Amino acid sequence: KAGVTQTPRYLIKTRGQQVTLSCSPISGHRSVSWYQQTPGQGLQFLFEYFSETQRNKGNFPGRFSGRQFSNSRSEMNVSTLELGDSALYLCASSPQGGNQPQHFGDGTRLSIL
Amino acid sequence: KQEVTQIPAALSVPEGENLVLNCSFTDSAIYNLQWFRQDPGKGLTSLLLIQSSQREQTSGRLNASLDKSSGRSTLYIAASQPGDSATYLCAAPGTTSGGSNYKLTFGKGTLLTVNP
Repeated sequence: KAGVTQTPRYLIKTRGQQVTLSCSPISGHRSVSWYQQTPGQGLQFLFEYFSETQRNKGNFPGRFSGRQFSNSRSEMNVSTLELGDSALYLCASSPQGGNQPQHFGDGTRLSIL
Repeated sequence: KQEVTQIPAALSVPEGENLVLNCSFTDSAIYNLQWFRQDPGKGLTSLLLIQSSQREQTSGRLNASLDKSSGRSTLYIAASQPGDSATYLCAAPGTTSGGSNYKLTFGKGTLLTVNP
Protein backbone atom coordinates (compact mmCIF):
# COMPACT_ATOMS: atom_id res chain seq x y z
CA LYS A 1 0.00 0.00 0.00
CA ALA A 2 1.45 3.37 -0.99
CA GLY A 3 2.17 5.81 1.79
CA VAL A 4 1.25 9.46 2.10
CA THR A 5 2.53 11.40 -0.91
CA GLN A 6 3.27 15.09 -0.82
CA THR A 7 4.14 17.23 -3.82
CA PRO A 8 6.23 19.09 -4.58
CA ARG A 9 9.11 18.17 -2.26
CA TYR A 10 10.73 21.59 -2.51
CA LEU A 11 9.45 25.06 -3.35
CA ILE A 12 11.08 28.46 -3.51
CA LYS A 13 8.87 31.52 -3.52
CA THR A 14 9.20 35.23 -2.86
CA ARG A 15 7.34 37.38 -0.39
CA GLY A 16 3.82 38.29 -1.42
CA GLN A 17 3.33 35.28 -3.68
CA GLN A 18 0.94 32.45 -2.98
CA VAL A 19 1.58 28.69 -2.99
CA THR A 20 -0.41 25.47 -3.15
CA LEU A 21 0.82 22.21 -1.66
CA SER A 22 -0.70 18.82 -2.37
CA CYS A 23 -1.19 15.70 -0.25
CA SER A 24 -2.44 12.28 -1.33
CA PRO A 25 -3.37 10.15 1.70
CA ILE A 26 -3.05 6.41 2.08
CA SER A 27 -5.79 4.66 0.12
CA GLY A 28 -8.90 4.37 2.26
CA HIS A 29 -7.88 7.13 4.67
CA ARG A 30 -10.45 9.90 4.89
CA SER A 31 -8.79 12.20 7.42
CA VAL A 32 -5.96 14.49 6.34
CA SER A 33 -4.15 16.81 8.74
CA TRP A 34 -1.55 19.45 7.98
CA TYR A 35 1.33 20.52 10.23
CA GLN A 36 4.00 23.21 9.98
CA GLN A 37 7.48 22.44 11.29
CA THR A 38 10.02 25.19 12.01
CA PRO A 39 13.23 25.10 14.07
CA GLY A 40 11.85 27.61 16.55
CA GLN A 41 8.27 26.44 17.03
CA GLY A 42 8.59 22.76 16.26
CA LEU A 43 5.56 20.97 14.84
CA GLN A 44 2.31 22.91 14.93
CA PHE A 45 -1.14 21.79 13.83
CA LEU A 46 -2.67 23.75 10.94
CA PHE A 47 -5.98 22.01 10.20
CA GLU A 48 -7.71 18.70 9.58
CA TYR A 49 -10.04 17.72 6.78
CA PHE A 50 -12.49 14.85 6.80
CA SER A 51 -15.00 14.04 4.07
CA GLU A 52 -14.23 17.29 2.25
CA THR A 53 -14.95 19.40 5.36
CA GLN A 54 -12.54 21.23 7.61
CA ARG A 55 -13.17 19.58 10.94
CA ASN A 56 -10.55 21.30 13.09
CA LYS A 57 -8.26 24.28 12.85
CA GLY A 58 -5.14 25.40 14.66
CA ASN A 59 -4.04 28.93 15.49
CA PHE A 60 -2.82 30.16 12.14
CA PRO A 61 -3.92 33.30 10.25
CA GLY A 62 -6.49 33.17 7.50
CA ARG A 63 -3.73 33.27 4.87
CA PHE A 64 -3.46 29.54 5.48
CA SER A 65 -6.32 27.61 3.96
CA GLY A 66 -7.01 24.19 2.59
CA ARG A 67 -9.50 21.93 0.95
CA GLN A 68 -10.17 18.26 0.43
CA PHE A 69 -11.51 16.55 -2.64
CA SER A 70 -13.92 13.65 -2.96
CA ASN A 71 -11.00 11.22 -3.37
CA SER A 72 -9.59 12.49 -0.01
CA ARG A 73 -6.65 14.24 -1.63
CA SER A 74 -6.00 17.55 0.06
CA GLU A 75 -4.41 20.83 -0.89
CA MET A 76 -3.08 23.57 1.34
CA ASN A 77 -2.81 27.15 0.15
CA VAL A 78 -0.81 29.98 1.65
CA SER A 79 -1.42 33.49 0.29
CA THR A 80 0.67 36.63 0.64
CA LEU A 81 3.73 34.69 1.68
CA GLU A 82 5.94 36.04 4.46
CA LEU A 83 9.53 35.16 5.32
CA GLY A 84 8.27 33.43 8.46
CA ASP A 85 6.29 30.95 6.37
CA SER A 86 9.53 29.20 5.45
CA ALA A 87 9.08 25.73 6.93
CA LEU A 88 8.59 22.04 6.32
CA TYR A 89 4.90 21.38 5.76
CA LEU A 90 3.83 17.88 6.69
CA CYS A 91 0.65 16.07 5.85
CA ALA A 92 -0.70 13.12 7.82
CA SER A 93 -3.57 10.76 7.13
CA SER A 94 -5.61 8.27 9.12
CA PRO A 95 -8.75 6.27 8.39
CA GLN A 96 -11.14 8.33 10.49
CA GLY A 97 -8.97 10.87 12.30
CA GLY A 98 -9.67 11.46 15.96
CA ASN A 99 -7.37 9.36 18.13
CA GLN A 100 -6.27 6.99 15.41
CA PRO A 101 -2.54 6.81 14.64
CA GLN A 102 -1.46 9.19 11.93
CA HIS A 103 0.82 8.38 9.02
CA PHE A 104 3.02 11.16 7.73
CA GLY A 105 4.41 12.03 4.32
CA ASP A 106 7.92 13.32 3.67
CA GLY A 107 6.75 16.91 3.57
CA THR A 108 7.17 19.93 1.33
CA ARG A 109 10.09 22.22 2.12
CA LEU A 110 8.97 25.81 1.43
CA SER A 111 11.58 28.54 1.29
CA ILE A 112 10.61 32.21 1.05
CA LEU A 113 13.15 34.66 -0.36
CA LYS B 1 -4.27 22.78 26.55
CA GLN B 2 -1.89 19.90 26.01
CA GLU B 3 1.83 20.64 26.35
CA VAL B 4 4.53 18.08 25.62
CA THR B 5 8.13 18.31 26.81
CA GLN B 6 11.04 16.10 25.84
CA ILE B 7 14.25 15.69 27.76
CA PRO B 8 17.09 15.75 26.85
CA ALA B 9 17.09 17.97 23.78
CA ALA B 10 20.18 16.20 22.48
CA LEU B 11 21.99 13.00 23.39
CA SER B 12 25.24 11.53 22.13
CA VAL B 13 26.15 7.93 23.00
CA PRO B 14 28.65 5.30 21.85
CA GLU B 15 27.41 2.41 19.77
CA GLY B 16 26.00 -0.48 21.78
CA GLU B 17 24.75 1.59 24.69
CA ASN B 18 21.20 1.29 26.00
CA LEU B 19 19.42 4.63 26.34
CA VAL B 20 16.18 6.23 27.50
CA LEU B 21 14.38 9.21 26.02
CA ASN B 22 11.83 11.02 28.15
CA CYS B 23 8.53 12.65 27.31
CA SER B 24 6.12 14.42 29.65
CA PHE B 25 2.63 15.76 28.94
CA THR B 26 0.31 18.00 30.91
CA ASP B 27 -3.15 16.66 30.05
CA SER B 28 -3.36 13.03 31.17
CA ALA B 29 -6.79 12.49 29.58
CA ILE B 30 -5.22 11.00 26.46
CA TYR B 31 -6.33 8.00 24.43
CA ASN B 32 -2.84 7.18 23.23
CA LEU B 33 0.68 8.48 22.77
CA GLN B 34 2.82 8.10 19.69
CA TRP B 35 6.60 8.05 19.24
CA PHE B 36 8.05 9.12 15.90
CA ARG B 37 11.46 9.20 14.30
CA GLN B 38 12.54 11.95 11.93
CA ASP B 39 15.66 11.78 9.76
CA PRO B 40 17.14 15.04 8.44
CA GLY B 41 14.99 16.56 5.69
CA LYS B 42 12.44 13.79 5.96
CA GLY B 43 8.94 13.32 7.30
CA LEU B 44 7.93 11.41 10.40
CA THR B 45 8.09 7.66 10.74
CA SER B 46 5.79 6.18 13.36
CA LEU B 47 7.71 3.93 15.76
CA LEU B 48 5.26 2.98 18.47
CA LEU B 49 1.72 3.81 19.51
CA ILE B 50 0.71 3.13 23.09
CA GLN B 51 -2.98 3.03 23.91
CA SER B 52 -4.05 4.53 27.22
CA SER B 53 -5.01 1.05 28.45
CA GLN B 54 -1.49 -0.25 27.84
CA ARG B 55 1.59 0.27 29.97
CA GLU B 56 4.16 -0.78 27.39
CA GLN B 57 4.62 -1.40 23.70
CA THR B 58 7.60 -3.12 22.09
CA SER B 59 9.00 -3.25 18.57
CA GLY B 60 12.36 -4.90 18.09
CA ARG B 61 14.96 -3.00 20.11
CA LEU B 62 12.46 -0.30 21.03
CA ASN B 63 10.25 -0.28 24.10
CA ALA B 64 7.89 2.53 25.01
CA SER B 65 6.13 2.90 28.33
CA LEU B 66 3.24 5.11 29.35
CA ASP B 67 2.27 6.33 32.82
CA LYS B 68 -0.82 8.48 32.46
CA SER B 69 -1.09 9.28 36.15
CA SER B 70 2.31 10.96 36.19
CA GLY B 71 2.06 12.32 32.64
CA ARG B 72 5.18 10.55 31.45
CA SER B 73 6.32 8.28 28.67
CA THR B 74 9.74 6.82 27.97
CA LEU B 75 11.31 5.35 24.87
CA TYR B 76 13.97 2.76 25.59
CA ILE B 77 16.42 1.87 22.83
CA ALA B 78 18.52 -1.24 23.41
CA ALA B 79 21.96 -1.84 21.94
CA SER B 80 22.00 1.44 20.00
CA GLN B 81 23.43 1.55 16.46
CA PRO B 82 24.68 4.43 14.29
CA GLY B 83 21.57 3.95 12.13
CA ASP B 84 19.47 4.96 15.13
CA SER B 85 20.82 8.52 14.83
CA ALA B 86 17.80 10.77 14.23
CA THR B 87 15.41 13.08 16.03
CA TYR B 88 12.84 11.29 18.17
CA LEU B 89 9.50 12.99 18.77
CA CYS B 90 6.65 12.08 21.05
CA ALA B 91 3.13 13.28 20.38
CA ALA B 92 -0.01 13.28 22.48
CA PRO B 93 -3.54 14.14 21.38
CA GLY B 94 -4.51 17.64 22.39
CA THR B 95 -7.79 19.49 22.23
CA THR B 96 -8.38 22.04 19.53
CA SER B 97 -10.48 25.15 20.12
CA GLY B 98 -13.51 23.01 19.31
CA GLY B 99 -12.75 20.79 22.27
CA SER B 100 -12.13 17.62 20.30
CA ASN B 101 -8.97 15.55 20.44
CA TYR B 102 -8.31 15.87 16.76
CA LYS B 103 -4.75 17.12 16.70
CA LEU B 104 -1.41 15.87 17.89
CA THR B 105 0.72 18.03 20.14
CA PHE B 106 4.39 17.35 19.65
CA GLY B 107 7.42 17.79 21.84
CA LYS B 108 10.46 19.57 20.42
CA GLY B 109 12.23 16.22 20.07
CA THR B 110 15.48 14.63 21.20
CA LEU B 111 18.34 14.65 18.70
CA LEU B 112 20.12 11.33 19.13
CA THR B 113 23.63 10.70 17.81
CA VAL B 114 25.07 7.21 18.08
CA ASN B 115 28.81 7.21 17.50
CA PRO B 116 30.54 4.18 15.94
